[in-house]
Amino acid sequence: GENVEQHPSTLSVQEGDSAVIKCTYSDSASNYFPWYKQELGKRPQLIIDIRSNVGEKKDQRIAVTLNKTAKHFSLHITETQPEDSAVYFCAASTVWGGGADGLTFGKGTHLIIQP
Amino acid sequence: GAGVSQSPSNKVTEKGKDVELRCDPISGHTALYWYRQSLGQGLEFLIYFQGNSAPDKSGLPSDRFSAERTGGSVSTLTIQRTQQEDSAVYLCASSPSAGTRGFYEQYFGPGTRLTVT
Repeated sequence: GENVEQHPSTLSVQEGDSAVIKCTYSDSASNYFPWYKQELGKRPQLIIDIRSNVGEKKDQRIAVTLNKTAKHFSLHITETQPEDSAVYFCAASTVWGGGADGLTFGKGTHLIIQP
Repeated sequence: GAGVSQSPSNKVTEKGKDVELRCDPISGHTALYWYRQSLGQGLEFLIYFQGNSAPDKSGLPSDRFSAERTGGSVSTLTIQRTQQEDSAVYLCASSPSAGTRGFYEQYFGPGTRLTVT
């Protein structure tokens, strides 16, 4: 089955700096890679995702890049703000016309924004 | 509109008892997923439904775990003879119908925190 590795487990950055979280996956059949943000005691919320037919996607301060050959994908957050502090999870799945498999998640990255 | 809801929000049970956890997906969503999140850990996939059928049960940890979905809507996850290692937050997610835009995006419920004493 799929295995997703995520690094680092904890990341502390100064407010205004950029943060990068990296993930690798093992199953070449995976074609959908979402990122979720989970604040303490809350449910995971989708912040951005990418399909395997594109290499990069951007949404305001958040961007995701995908390298299918190397089987890795990364989350980039620019101009970090205190409200970005949370645990971020990467995930991988296989999507086809009739549905999508369950997500395989990384272990999470605790992002701390220092004021 | 209303998001995914789960009940109960918290459940404390004694070891060996059975528990039932409920998930109400977003109206019209045909796919439904169950995950487990242990303290400080990532999310572990358990099972998913497309309509009322479960094409992938590979993540269920043992035969004490079962799930069903009726009417293409509400789903229940049942854990029989609970053990302390079953303590975790059980999260449910739903996705829109296959073929619609963004059908693969999963929307999570608030979870049920299960504590087995």
